[in-house]
Amino acid sequence: GNSVTQMEGPVTLSEEAFLTINCTYTATGYPSLFWYVQYPGEGLQLLLKATKADDKGSNKGFEATYRKETTSFHLEKGSVQVSDSAVYFCALSKERGGSNYKLTFGKGTLLTVNP
Amino acid sequence: EAGVTQFPSHSVIEKGQTVTLRCDPISGHDNLYWYRRVMGKEIKFLLHFVKESKQDESGMPNNRFLAERTGGTYSTLKVQPAELEDSGVYFCASSQDLGTGEPYEQYFGPGTRLTVT
Repeated sequence: GNSVTQMEGPVTLSEEAFLTINCTYTATGYPSLFWYVQYPGEGLQLLLKATKADDKGSNKGFEATYRKETTSFHLEKGSVQVSDSAVYFCALSKERGGSNYKLTFGKGTLLTVNP
Repeated sequence: EAGVTQFPSHSVIEKGQTVTLRCDPISGHDNLYWYRRVMGKEIKFLLHFVKESKQDESGMPNNRFLAERTGGTYSTLKVQPAELEDSGVYFCASSQDLGTGEPYEQYFGPGTRLTVT
């Protein structure tokens, strides 16, 4: 079955540091890949997505590239801010077709950014 | 536009009791998903509704869990009787389906934290 493995935290960085959170997956075909973020006290929010190989998703300074050859979707940000402190989840859903796009998640990575 | 709402935000019950969680999706979203995160583990899919129909129940742990979505609007997830291992955060998500085959964004609620003692 499908699975997602992401680096376990917690990750603690200083403001303006470079961030990488690794994510690899196992799935058949060409799944869609996502990064979700959960800020304290809130629900999960979609941060970015990519639906085919070599696509780059980007939002709020975060980027991730869909690498089919390495089955990876690593999250990066060049300069983190205190407000980026949150839990980040890598996830995948099946490739296009039908309506059931249930998500398979990684365990989540807690990021803390200190001023 | 209101987001996905869940009620209650937190529930503490004793083993053997019954609890009902409620999810109100975004208006007009036909797809509704339930997920659960047990402490220290991944968020796991429970089931998927399209309107009032259950499309996929493959993630439901056992027959103590019953989900409904009468009228295709809000959904309830009942646990009866609750066991200690049911503790966790239960998330609901909804999405549109415009028939293009694209995986539209799932909008998540804040979750219900269930503690079974």
